[in-house]
Amino acid sequence: NAGVTQTPKFRVLKTGQSMTLLCAQDMNHEYMYWYRQDPGMGLRLIHYSVGEGTTAKGEVPDGYNVSRLKKQNFLLGLESAAPSQTSVYFCASITDYTGELFFGEGSRLTVL
Amino acid sequence: QQQVKQSPQSLIVQKGGISIINCAYENTAFDYFPWYQQFPGKGPALLIAIRPDVSEKKEGRFTISFNKSAKQFSLHIMDSQPGDSATNFCAASGEGFKTIFGAGTRLFVKA
Repeated sequence: NAGVTQTPKFRVLKTGQSMTLLCAQDMNHEYMYWYRQDPGMGLRLIHYSVGEGTTAKGEVPDGYNVSRLKKQNFLLGLESAAPSQTSVYFCASITDYTGELFFGEGSRLTVL
Repeated sequence: QQQVKQSPQSLIVQKGGISIINCAYENTAFDYFPWYQQFPGKGPALLIAIRPDVSEKKEGRFTISFNKSAKQFSLHIMDSQPGDSATNFCAASGEGFKTIFGAGTRLFVKA
């Protein structure tokens, strides 16, 4: 029972490089979310999806893009990484009858 | 604009004591108020949650008190234990289960 799996777990980028974070869930959840966590700022919602083929902006969407081509996968892309995007990124999914978020273990991204 | 405000930022409690963390929200459309607990190197996990139709919910040593008119809610941890040492986040959820988090409280329980 894997739950929510994020890859990669660690990544170092240079300013201007691009990359994609992959989130996969095996719980058949409709809703999926990407958050970033920075010290003293809690978790801030970047983008989310309420179903396959849908995406929506969260609190801090600038500089990120997402895609939900398959129900079980939610991809977060950085087209041109900036040092301000150094953070720990968490993916989460939710059932539609409890409201409980299930989180992955995070992806630590450093942009030099 | 911070939609969910949490205090204190950090909290030190003696073993066996009561830990109290407070949160306030602005958006009256929120209809689900969870607390998440996070240990170092891990993702947050649900601790306890409440919906606005009740004023209190208790699960073991954990209690949420909810004041709808004041738009405030709080987490009480009774008989705090060293294993409770973690970062706790309050949150609020509404349309699309979009969940907004507070800034977090680092709890340390001294043995």
